Amino acid sequence: QKEVEQNSGPLSVPEGAIASLNCTYSDRGSQSFFWYRQYSGKSPELIMFIYSNGDKEDGRFTAQLNKASQYVSLLIRDSQPSDSATYLCAVSTNKLIFGTGTLLAVQP
Amino acid sequence: DAGVIQSPRHEVTEMGQEVTLRCKPISGHNSLFWYRQTMMRGLELLIYFNNNVPIDDSGMPEDRFSAKMPNASFSTLKIQPSEPRDSAVYFCASSLMQRNTEAFFGQGTRLTVV
Repeated sequence: QKEVEQNSGPLSVPEGAIASLNCTYSDRGSQSFFWYRQYSGKSPELIMFIYSNGDKEDGRFTAQLNKASQYVSLLIRDSQPSDSATYLCAVSTNKLIFGTGTLLAVQP
Repeated sequence: DAGVIQSPRHEVTEMGQEVTLRCKPISGHNSLFWYRQTMMRGLELLIYFNNNVPIDDSGMPEDRFSAKMPNASFSTLKIQPSEPRDSAVYFCASSLMQRNTEAFFGQGTRLTVV
């Protein structure tokens, strides 16, 4: 079992819709959880982090964490074509481990 | 701040040659990570340092790979000898050694071994 798992996609949504990205992790000792966005040919950049159970909202983005289920998700409201990228889930204990990423395509 | 600086941005080398990748972390950051990214395996953690000390190198694929951090402002990742399967994008990232602190990535080095 991989430490951090994501569906590779591609996930295709129409412009203006909600995109839902999911991630599961195996280490119950994980303390912090991050969502990074990576455009093709670029380096990953942080979108949000979350460390407590529940929801955390930042603009059009909402991160959700359920430690009992070892599950973290990212919702993108009012998706825009500029949101098209690979979204990487990362989990931190003492080291930062990434999932393989989900490719999101927002169709105009 | 200039961010995490990696060099070179691109490297093409022949199989069997030694390759050295370089990284300058953000000033004040005390954790440094080396990752390798491929289409097949995604972003893999190779090794990370805290306060210049290697903490976990379990991701280093083989003895051909080695990494050093002689001081807080410089790290190297060396591959000797290089093989075509080492072709990938190598990222360096740095952070503060606290939870909830994001890791900032450099622009990466695209390595091609022919």
